[in-house]
Amino acid sequence: QVQLQESGPGLVKPSQTLSLTCTVSGGSISSGGYYWSWIRQHPGKGLEWIGYIYYSGSTYYNPSLKSRVTISVDTSKNQFSLKLSSVTAADTAVYYCARDPYGDYWFDPWGQGTLVTVSS
Amino acid sequence: EIVLTQSPGTLSLSPGERATLSCRASQSVSSSYLAWYQQKPGQAPRLLIYGASSRATGIPDRFSGSGSGTDFTLTISRLEPEDFAVYYCQQYGSSPPKFTFGPGTKVDIK
Repeated sequence: QVQLQESGPGLVKPSQTLSLTCTVSGGSISSGGYYWSWIRQHPGKGLEWIGYIYYSGSTYYNPSLKSRVTISVDTSKNQFSLKLSSVTAADTAVYYCARDPYGDYWFDPWGQGTLVTVSS
Repeated sequence: EIVLTQSPGTLSLSPGERATLSCRASQSVSSSYLAWYQQKPGQAPRLLIYGASSRATGIPDRFSGSGSGTDFTLTISRLEPEDFAVYYCQQYGSSPPKFTFGPGTKVDIK
């Protein structure tokens, strides 16, 4: 079955850019049929959808984060990535990648998540 | 923007009891756009219910979802020890396109 795994630095300095990658195994991003999303969870808090990308490269972002977010896809590596610029302590969170069936509106499966702390 | 409210915030029950969790939307939500997740400490959320009432693959039939419009319910018919967790509802809004989650209901052992 499809599995997702996040990777990237666990510590980012304020004002810098957070960069994470999600590697997909057990299925091909380029096959289509799914959106690939990033979702975050602040410590002890609820969940916030960041945005998604289709294999073609088309994206949609949460309007509240849109000015700072870039999601890209590398089908040759079966990966998609998140960049969040100008980070502050408020961006400290566990970041998850997840799959969303095209035309449907839920997330399954999810990666295990990776904690990113913003601190100097 | 549609806001989801979940109640109660915490539900204290014993194994074997029935759990009824509520998710209320600030505007009408298409049932197709409503999902429920379970999250245990240190783990990612797991999809339980999609389309308001369809169980995801591998989810036991003690979990059921219902509702329409602005009021949705997740019911766990008989709590098993592994069901004590936090449960989130999630909706998709098309104007603007955006996914939002409720704040969660924690089901803990009484």
